[in-house]
Amino acid sequence: DAKTTQPPSMDCAEGRAANLPCNHSTISGNEYVYWYRQIHSQGPQYIIHGLKNNETNEMASLIITEDRKSSTLILPHATLRDTAVYYCIAHPTNTGNQFYFGTGTSLTVIP
Amino acid sequence: GAVVSQHPSRVICKSGTSVKIECRSLDFQATTMFWYRQFPKQSLMLMATSNEGSKATYEQGVEKDKFLINHASLTLSTLTVTSAHPEDSSFYICSARSGTTNQPQHFGDGTRLSIL
Repeated sequence: DAKTTQPPSMDCAEGRAANLPCNHSTISGNEYVYWYRQIHSQGPQYIIHGLKNNETNEMASLIITEDRKSSTLILPHATLRDTAVYYCIAHPTNTGNQFYFGTGTSLTVIP
Repeated sequence: GAVVSQHPSRVICKSGTSVKIECRSLDFQATTMFWYRQFPKQSLMLMATSNEGSKATYEQGVEKDKFLINHASLTLSTLTVTSAHPEDSSFYICSARSGTTNQPQHFGDGTRLSIL
């Protein structure tokens, strides 16, 4: 897996958009960008993934730069329940191989 | 969406006891399952990769005789912590993915293991 770099922590006001950056400058052509989040004492929850096009689902949007060296996860209207550690992982999806988790970004949504 | 069930959610037992943790994929067949361990305020650390019908592949530094993994079917993998000691106390998490290309891993809710 390509190494990913994320800020260790961020705050966001409730109701505002939370924009979580991830740097993956060594990503290779067959590696997707996956985002997961982990709420305290729970297993990680899948959020979204993409290769090079921007993606959107009911939880979030994923914006990947044209050179694919970085991406941003956007939670459009953050709620208190979005407080969690967010992990960005670059991983080739056409194998059964494991994810290696970095340290992630601890997002705190403030009332 | 894909659901992975992990059981039990919490175990407290005496030192020297063996503990079995189950991981089930409820609505899909998981050709590969993964076991992670997480210590407080740290990230997830991969312990082993489990493929149905074959021996698990362990990460460097993980004792295969202490952490026994069995993946007997496409919906069930088990992790047995043998002769557990207090230093084995941790949060154990499994994940599973189907063999379909471009599908993410889905995680269980974890097992909090406390060895007294």
